[in-house]
Amino acid sequence: GAVVSQHPSRVICKSGTSVKIECRSLDFQATTMFWYRQFPKQSLMLMATSNEGSKATYEQGVEKDKFLINHASLTLSTLTVTSAHPEDSSFYICSAPLPGRYNEQFFGPGTRLTVL
Amino acid sequence: KNEVEQSPQNLTAQEGEFITINCSYSVGISALHWLQQHPGGGIVSLFMLSSGKKKHGRLIATINIQEKHSSLHITASHPRDSAVYICARPGTASKLTFGTGTRLQVTL
Repeated sequence: GAVVSQHPSRVICKSGTSVKIECRSLDFQATTMFWYRQFPKQSLMLMATSNEGSKATYEQGVEKDKFLINHASLTLSTLTVTSAHPEDSSFYICSAPLPGRYNEQFFGPGTRLTVL
Repeated sequence: KNEVEQSPQNLTAQEGEFITINCSYSVGISALHWLQQHPGGGIVSLFMLSSGKKKHGRLIATINIQEKHSSLHITASHPRDSAVYICARPGTASKLTFGTGTRLQVTL
């Protein structure tokens, strides 16, 4: 099956620093990728839709200047958490649908961010 | 009220038991996902179904589009089945709306 990877799997940073998380589709091209956030014991919440070649679309309540998304190529999307604060500590997951088969999505393994 | 509701929220079972997790949704859909989230956080897509029933190993998923209801069954449960099971419905532009998840613990 299709594979989506994320890097890093875990990151700890100091408050005020920026953290970049990568999401890659390893064996297929993804013109669209989705970024989710999950707080402990809660469900996944969609943050934004990453679109190759155009601006990301953010969900209501998600600050686009704080969570910068760049879909640099057909296999790579990056999420940068700028000026991270402890409340940004969360589990970040990306997913990518197969081209033309948008009901089938493949999830990355997730990145656990801890901001001290 | 969430668009996608699951029950139960938590479930403890003994090894070998038959398990059922339910998912109800309020908006008409063409398909539904069942996902498994391991304790470490990684998510695996178990099923995507639009009608009837699908089976994979000890897992069975059923859906009734008219009644807006789906169930995930696990036969002969095992401790390694312990995870959070999530149903999700696709919406516009492939965006998924997730249920709150069912935390399953299977004990020896």
